[in-house]
Amino acid sequence: GIQVEQSPPDLILQEGANSTLRCNFSDSVNNLQWFHQNPWGQLINLFYIPSGTKQNGRLSATTVATERYSLLYISSSQTTDSGVYFCAAHQSGGSYIPTFGRGTSLIVHP
Amino acid sequence: DVKVTQSSRYLVKRTGEKVFLECVQDMDHENMFWYRQDPGLGLRLIYFSYDVKMKEKGDIPEGYSVSREKKERFSLILESASTNQTSMYLCASSYGANTEAFFGQGTRLTVV
Repeated sequence: GIQVEQSPPDLILQEGANSTLRCNFSDSVNNLQWFHQNPWGQLINLFYIPSGTKQNGRLSATTVATERYSLLYISSSQTTDSGVYFCAAHQSGGSYIPTFGRGTSLIVHP
Repeated sequence: DVKVTQSSRYLVKRTGEKVFLECVQDMDHENMFWYRQDPGLGLRLIYFSYDVKMKEKGDIPEGYSVSREKKERFSLILESASTNQTSMYLCASSYGANTEAFFGQGTRLTVV
């Protein structure tokens, strides 16, 4: 099955800094999602982005499907951005099951 | 908005007990999933269901079973809870193949 790798595994920032999180996948995909896991454990949907670029406030995401990676950009980070960020991909061919990376743990200090 | 609701946020059970974790979605989704999350191991798929009464094993089904009698409800059953099943359990649903998945709030289960 498809392998999904995220980098970096851990990231520590000062409030106001920008950051880029990366998600590499080993095969072609039909679906790529980014999630933020809040301190209470719930995974919150950030982006559904099989290809192209999307923006939502201070967050944006780009997926380059032909090169098998996706990037999540966080600008002007805030302490509330802290948590774990996951990407998940559906392998091409009609997969029902999203495969998750191990996540990037982000801590934003005031 | 899609809503996926797990029956408990925190649960403490004793070794050997039969444990039921319930998950309900309100968007008529075909697919439902149970994952467990442990530090350093990410999210691992336990079981998923692509239709009522249909189920398939995920990566770590040992010690678990599932039930999907109605489309909106997917239950995870620990037949005889053990301490190594202490974990965060996450339920998700999606409409079909390659579609966006949505998660419940998670259940932190402690087996003592």
